[in-house]
Amino acid sequence: NAGVTQTPKFQVLKTGQSMTLQCAQDMNHNSMYWYRQDPGMGLRLIYYSASEGTTDKGEVPNGYNVSRLNKREFSLRLESAAPSQTSVYFCASSLHQNTEAFFGQGTRLTVV
Amino acid sequence: QKEVEQNSGPLSVPEGAIASLNCTYSDRGSQSFFWYRQYSGKSPELIMFIYSNGDKEDGRFTAQLNKASQYVSLLIRDSQPSDSATYLCAVNMRGGTSYGKLTFGQGTILTVHP
Repeated sequence: NAGVTQTPKFQVLKTGQSMTLQCAQDMNHNSMYWYRQDPGMGLRLIYYSASEGTTDKGEVPNGYNVSRLNKREFSLRLESAAPSQTSVYFCASSLHQNTEAFFGQGTRLTVV
Repeated sequence: QKEVEQNSGPLSVPEGAIASLNCTYSDRGSQSFFWYRQYSGKSPELIMFIYSNGDKEDGRFTAQLNKASQYVSLLIRDSQPSDSATYLCAVNMRGGTSYGKLTFGQGTILTVHP
């Protein structure tokens, strides 16, 4: 049972490049989340999907887009990467909106 | 005011002592509360969740919830060096445009020294 799987684990981008972070869960969860974590800032919510077919903005959505491709997959896209987007990105999922969330192993992204 | 706020750290306790971690939240309608532990370079892992007022115990961990005061805490009894980590409080927001958001505090770094 893999749980929440994120790809890639590490990525270096040049300013202005685009990329998509992939996330998939095999727990039949309804809700999925994307967070970024910066030193001393805790986890900040970028976007979330309460259920298949819905997405909503979190605390720091600017510069990002998401797609809930199906129940299993929730991707995060950076259209034009900026150095301020250097961070560790975590995907998480939960059975419902008010139940505990489980995290992937994270993607460490550096934008130069 | 931050939506979820944790007591400033870092917190240092001797081995065998009780570590007390605190968290306040702004959305009075919040109904589910979580504590996560995060080791350096790793992803957060769930320690406990609590939905009702009062105490909930699981081994050496006790979560306490007071909805009237909008306060949730985590006590770690008989602290061990392996408990040294960052502890994250998370609240599932319910009010207005925040509905469904799982919001985290900034984390408290705990160090347990032998």
